[in-house]
Amino acid sequence: GAGVSQSPSNKVTEKGKDVELRCDPISGHTALYWYRQRLGQGLEFLIYFQGNSAPDKSGLPSDRFSAERTGESVSTLTIQRTQQEDSAVYLCASSSHRDRVLRTEAFFGQGTRLTVV
Amino acid sequence: RKEVEQDPGPFNVPEGATVAFNCTYSNSASQSFFWYRQDCRKEPKLLMSVYSSGNEDGRFTAQLNRASQYISLLIRDSKLSDSATYLCVVTIGGATNKLIFGTGTLLAVQP
Repeated sequence: GAGVSQSPSNKVTEKGKDVELRCDPISGHTALYWYRQRLGQGLEFLIYFQGNSAPDKSGLPSDRFSAERTGESVSTLTIQRTQQEDSAVYLCASSSHRDRVLRTEAFFGQGTRLTVV
Repeated sequence: RKEVEQDPGPFNVPEGATVAFNCTYSNSASQSFFWYRQDCRKEPKLLMSVYSSGNEDGRFTAQLNRASQYISLLIRDSKLSDSATYLCVVTIGGATNKLIFGTGTLLAVQP
């Protein structure tokens, strides 16, 4: 498909286990974002990748969280030693930038619903 | 102070009403501005970009006031299908250009 694809759509994991979430951005989009949305809350910025620049990791809540992106393609968000407060929907978005300015909209995937039990 | 602030609502309005949302942002270097819409348990989707001159798309009008650092969204003749959360989004300029989301304003249009 032409949209942002995230997998898995749902993940239930036991507290203390590691999880890996995947995002396939729209082809050609240089920017990729990860957000977290807890139930009934707003979007919480986690990390931002833009081309070959160093990622903006300022939103990662703890060192249990990390993310990687290979070139301008797939990104994975890894949560180690999951805790119950990590339960949320994790949303990925991608966009096309020109001259380092966002000139087009960011398209979101449908998210991964993570439940830590 | 939050980077982007919105009244969380909810705004409960009857069909046909006009409703306005405001959003303030703290970083004067912000470059781009958007309104997104998020339906319950769905991902956010772009409603409209916000330009300095103001812009209109059907029943929706967006305005930007850089001097006062606020953005507004006006919805005229509200429909039941307008019920959603409306998210104010700002990009922070500089070396990166991440999207900063407000927490959203919940609109419930009543029959």
